[in-house]
Amino acid sequence: EAGVTQFPSHSVIEKGQTVTLRCDPISGHDNLYWYRRVMGKEIKFLLHFVKESKQDESGMPNNRFLAERTGGTYSTLKVQPAELEDSGVYFCASSQVARETQYFGPGTRLLVL
Amino acid sequence: SQQGEEDPQALSIQEGENATMNCSYKTSINNLQWYRQNSGRGLVHLILIRSNEREKHSGRLRVTLDTSKKSSSLLITASRAADTASYFCATALLNDYKLSFGAGTTVTVRA
Repeated sequence: EAGVTQFPSHSVIEKGQTVTLRCDPISGHDNLYWYRRVMGKEIKFLLHFVKESKQDESGMPNNRFLAERTGGTYSTLKVQPAELEDSGVYFCASSQVARETQYFGPGTRLLVL
Repeated sequence: SQQGEEDPQALSIQEGENATMNCSYKTSINNLQWYRQNSGRGLVHLILIRSNEREKHSGRLRVTLDTSKKSSSLLITASRAADTASYFCATALLNDYKLSFGAGTTVTVRA
């Protein structure tokens, strides 16, 4: 069974540009989560989808971040416009049942210059 | 403030020795999960322990949970060079779905 995949693995952009990150969860997992780790800090929750619905987006830092999960399969996280402080590693995770084991993808390393 | 905090921040041991790291948290949990991250890679799930469990084993890993002290420990026995990684505890709260992570413990196993 394929694990959680994320694309791209790395992205280097300039401040003010737009970047879109993609996450493909494990097939059949209704729950999809986004987390990020900015330099020197702990991994923090961004938001949680159940199928195509946003269950909790309390961790989204501001309205420059937009997450979607059309059709309840893969998800995208768009940052527009990107700022320097958005640099970090963005992780996606999925779980079959909420509150149970979350399986993480390899992450997307974003560097905003 | 973060829910989970690991101790120590860093640990260096000789191959074959045991490594123990601790995690403390602040509020009641549904479960606690331990993850490993090898340098530059993703998070690998190790063990999930529920609030009504006290100990779980998986291979060379042993996790304990003391809900009265709001703490958990991860023991890696007979460590190997491949165990060199950062280890994170993450808590799932009672009425929540997200995981709250600690800052992690960096373990270095010397050959």
